[in-house]
Amino acid sequence: DSGVTQTPKHLITATGQRVTLRCSPRSGDLSVYWYQQSLDQGLQFLIQYYNGEERAKGNILERFSAQQFPDLHSELNLSSLELGDSALYFCASSVDPSNYEQYFGPGTRLTVT
Amino acid sequence: AQSVAQPEDQVNVAEGNPLTVKCTYSVSGNPYLFWYVQYPNRGLQFLLKYITGDNLVKGSYGFEAEFNKSQTSFHLKKPSALVSDSALYFCAVRDGDYGGSQGNLIFGKGTKLSVKP
Repeated sequence: DSGVTQTPKHLITATGQRVTLRCSPRSGDLSVYWYQQSLDQGLQFLIQYYNGEERAKGNILERFSAQQFPDLHSELNLSSLELGDSALYFCASSVDPSNYEQYFGPGTRLTVT
Repeated sequence: AQSVAQPEDQVNVAEGNPLTVKCTYSVSGNPYLFWYVQYPNRGLQFLLKYITGDNLVKGSYGFEAEFNKSQTSFHLKKPSALVSDSALYFCAVRDGDYGGSQGNLIFGKGTKLSVKP
């Protein structure tokens, strides 16, 4: 158990809908990262937050947004969902961005029908 | 741009034999390299990292990796494979500048390791 929690574990929704994925980092970790894992794209970095502020953006679609709250948990919002958004979404955390080890949560499996 | 490549989609090994999972990298500046393992329906688990220092890095579960600057490689190795090592292995490189605020990882496509009894 990495200490990173993600909810829900599974999510099934229809095209055009909006969902929110939640992540709680390990105790003491200030940096949160979101990754998307799909069969065709592999593991792709989406966005990084550190202590509430956005620090880096990867291949995140404009339909997706995220934030990190004062209690350091993070939410990833996915809107206007398309079939191609079906994937496993991972959250990872680290003490700070310069701490190179990231600890991954179990992921949320999103299925868009 | 930083990148890593895992040239093998799958590696098959007999239990008790040594295993190697290959990774090559392309970076500007010093590479910060990682190996993670993913078991079915699980998140990624950190195995080991190379930041600086000895080229042979020891990690969890008896795994080690050899950093080779001239060949730009960071191959994962284990002297004696176990059936329980069967999983998906990812090589990764840290993006961003050393000590900088961008710390995300760039992953290879993954190599499926299958260890047969």
